Amino acid sequence: KQEVTQIPAALSVPEGENLVLNCSFTDSAIYNLQWFRQDPGKGLTSLLLIQSSQREQTSGRLNASLDKSSGRSTLYIAASQPGDSATYLCAAHNLDAQGGKLIFGQGTELSVKP
Amino acid sequence: GAGVSQSPSNKVTEKGKDVELRCDPISGHTALYWYRQSLGQGLEFLIYFQGNSAPDKSGLPSDRFSAERTGGSVSTLTIQRTQQEDSAVYLCASSFQGYGYTFGSGTRLTVV
Repeated sequence: KQEVTQIPAALSVPEGENLVLNCSFTDSAIYNLQWFRQDPGKGLTSLLLIQSSQREQTSGRLNASLDKSSGRSTLYIAASQPGDSATYLCAAHNLDAQGGKLIFGQGTELSVKP
Repeated sequence: GAGVSQSPSNKVTEKGKDVELRCDPISGHTALYWYRQSLGQGLEFLIYFQGNSAPDKSGLPSDRFSAERTGGSVSTLTIQRTQQEDSAVYLCASSFQGYGYTFGSGTRLTVV
C-alpha cells in the first residue's frame, strides 16, 4: 500500500530565498508523481508531473526531481515570492488493474514573508 | 468542458439528511475520482471510475457513501443520513487514463 509523506509540514521563509520541499513514498513502482498547489479555500492546481521514466521537470522557477530507487521527490522553488505562499501537495500514482489513483501526502504549508 | 465542474460549491445540511454532490469532468477524460479533505487534513481517496470497469470503492468510509457515473461522464456522490464528521470539502478530479489530474474547485459540505 502506497504511503506518501511530506516534510516539513510548515515552512516560513523570507522573500527571495530558494527552498526545497520534500516528499517520500513507500512503493517505488509508481506510474508518475505530481506536485500540486492549494490556496486557502480553493481547489488544487497542478504544478508539475514527472513520469516514472523521468528524473525531473521544470516550469519557470519550479523544478521537481524524482528518485524512484530512494522513494523521494523534491520540489525546488527559486527566488521565492509572497505569491508562492500556499500549501504544496505531492501525490504518487501507482497503476493497478483498473488504472490506479493518486495517493497524497499531508502537504507542506509555505509562507513567504515580504 | 474546459475544466472539472462541481456543484454545489457550498452545501449546508442538517444531520440525518441525504445529500448529492455532482461532478462534471473534462470531456473525453476516461477516469474520474472523488477525494475528501477535512479541515487541516490531506486528501483522502474515496472512489474512482475508469472507463467501463467496475469502480474502485476501497476508500469509501462507510456504506452511507455511494457514487455513480452515468454514461461515462457526470458523477454523483451521495451521502445518506449525514453525520457531523462528514463535514469536509469534497473534491472531484478527472484524467485521461491516469496521466495528469485536473481537479474541480470542490464542494464544501457542512453538516449542522
